[in-house]
Amino acid sequence: NAGVMQNPRHLVRRRGQEARLRCSPMKGHSHVYWYRQLPEEGLKFMVYLQKENIIDESGMPKERFSAEFPKEGPSILRIQQVVRGDSAAYFCASSRSRDTGELFFGEGSRLTVL
Amino acid sequence: SQQGEEDPQALSIQEGENATMNCSYKTSINNLQWYRQNSGRGLVHLILIRSNEREKHSGRLRVTLDTSKKSSSLLITASRAADTASYFCGPTGTASKLTFGTGTRLQVTL
Repeated sequence: NAGVMQNPRHLVRRRGQEARLRCSPMKGHSHVYWYRQLPEEGLKFMVYLQKENIIDESGMPKERFSAEFPKEGPSILRIQQVVRGDSAAYFCASSRSRDTGELFFGEGSRLTVL
Repeated sequence: SQQGEEDPQALSIQEGENATMNCSYKTSINNLQWYRQNSGRGLVHLILIRSNEREKHSGRLRVTLDTSKKSSSLLITASRAADTASYFCGPTGTASKLTFGTGTRLQVTL
């Protein structure tokens, strides 16, 4: 049973370009969470999605960031017009249900903005 | 906020010694989880303790929970160099998301 798969593992973008990060949850998991981590810091919650629905996006910047989790296919975190401050590791996690607690994390996507 | 705050921020011990790290939180919880993050990797779930439990063991890990003090501790006994990592706690309650503090960075030296 494959774990949470994130791709790309590393992404380099120039300022103003778009970044798309993909996350395939574990089989049977319909809950997806995105986190951002700056060097030497903890994980900051961004957004929680369930299939086709955004449940909690309280951690998402108001502009340039969006997330989706379509009925078919991976969850996508999209960052438009990237700036240097967007450089970070972005982690995706999934769970079977909201109440089980345990999250399974992917290995992260490291975005570098030049 | 349901976020956990880990303490100390950094801990350095020698192999074979025990490591204790603490977590404090502010709201009522259903359970509390501990995760480990090796450098450059994703978080790995270590142990979950429910609000009606006071202590739980898993191998060399021992977790305690004091809901009256809104605190938890993680004890790693007989530490190994491979235990070097950052450790995060995640209190879970009615909020829809699991939030983390800045973690405890544990360094185990030979």
